[in-house]
Parts: sequence; structure tokens; C-alpha cells
Amino acid sequence: LAKTTQPISMDSYEGQEVNITCSHNNIATNDYITWYQQFPSQGPRFIIQGYKTKVTNEVASLFIPADRKSSTLSLPRVSLSDTAVYYCLVGSMDSSYKLIFGSGTRLLVRP
Amino acid sequence: DVKVTQSSRYLVKRTGEKVFLECVQDMDHENMFWYRQDPGLGLRLIYFSYDVKMKEKGDIPEGYSVSREKKERFSLILESASTNQTSMYLCASSTRDRRQAFFGQGTRLTVV
Repeated sequence: LAKTTQPISMDSYEGQEVNITCSHNNIATNDYITWYQQFPSQGPRFIIQGYKTKVTNEVASLFIPADRKSSTLSLPRVSLSDTAVYYCLVGSMDSSYKLIFGSGTRLLVRP
Repeated sequence: DVKVTQSSRYLVKRTGEKVFLECVQDMDHENMFWYRQDPGLGLRLIYFSYDVKMKEKGDIPEGYSVSREKKERFSLILESASTNQTSMYLCASSTRDRRQAFFGQGTRLTVV
């Protein structure tokens, strides 16, 4: 199972672009990269998922280099409401994948 | 709208009590998960189930058991509650390929 490493916390200001990088050196060929967002006192919420290159949706972009040993979640023009914990998960869709969450990155957006 | 519902938002139980936390999903998902979350420790997987009557241990199964008699319902059981089981408990479900998980609102359990 690929282990992930993320920064424990990050600070930003409203209107800035925020990039959170996740390292996953042991990623396997069949593994996908998934990011979740969690607000206080709520369950995590799926943000974005990718396998390689770049994925973009209405919330975020996910950049994955060719070697796939890391990935970067990009949040454009953050607002105060983006203050949350962001989790990077790596795993394949076979039966051994248990949806293991790490400690995540605590993002604080300041006015 | 997809939904994972946990039976209680807040729960207070006494040490030694048997505690049941219930989770129901309406998405016909094969997989269901129970996590606990404590400050500074992120989400830790207790148990998950990939089919009715099937279960696998997660990272911290000690002191817990689970039951999945029907596809839509996954119960977490604390056989004899202890104060170190005071925590936020989160249930989730996903399709078989686990590409996206949906979480309930959480149950904050306090054991006194």
C-alpha cells in the first residue's frame, strides 16, 4: 500500500492560489490518487481524483507528473470557506484497498 | 442526493456499556467503512465490509466489532465501552471500485 506524505499545515490568504503537494514514492501501476476535504465536525468530502497528467473540475485541479511519485492539489483563489483539512489517498480499486487516510494537511485561509 | 446516515450525532455512554453505532446508506454500495477521528491523529480505519456478512479489520480493530446483515446497514459495536473510546466516529460507503467514498455526518461518542 503506497504511503503518502503531506505537509501538516499551510497558511494562505484570501484570493491566493494554494498548492498542496503529496508524496507517494511507492505508488503502484494501478493506483489512483484521490483528494478529500474535511470541514470541522463533518465527514470528508471527495474533491478530485486522477491517474496521470492533469485533472480539473469546478473545485480544484490535480497535477500529476510523469513519474507519479507525487501529486499537487491546486485550489484557485481560495476563500475563508476553504479552511479545512485536505487528505491525499493513493490506492488501486482492487479488494485490498482499504481507503486509508493519513493525517492530512490543515489549510488555514486568512482574510 | 446520495446519503449516508448515522443514527446519532451525539452519544454519551457509561464505561462498560455495550454501544451500537448504526450507519445506513441509500446508494446500494458494496463497501462500507467505520473510522474514528481524534485530534492530531487524522482518520483511522476500524473495520470495513465489502459485502453482506463480510468484514475485514482496519488499523485499529481492538475493542470493536461490526455487523453487516443487510447491504445498506453497517453497525459498529463497542462490546464494553471504555473512556479511551471517546471519539468522533465516521461511517462511509463506496462502490466496489472505491473510486469515491461518501461519509456520514459523524457520531461524537463520549464514554464517562
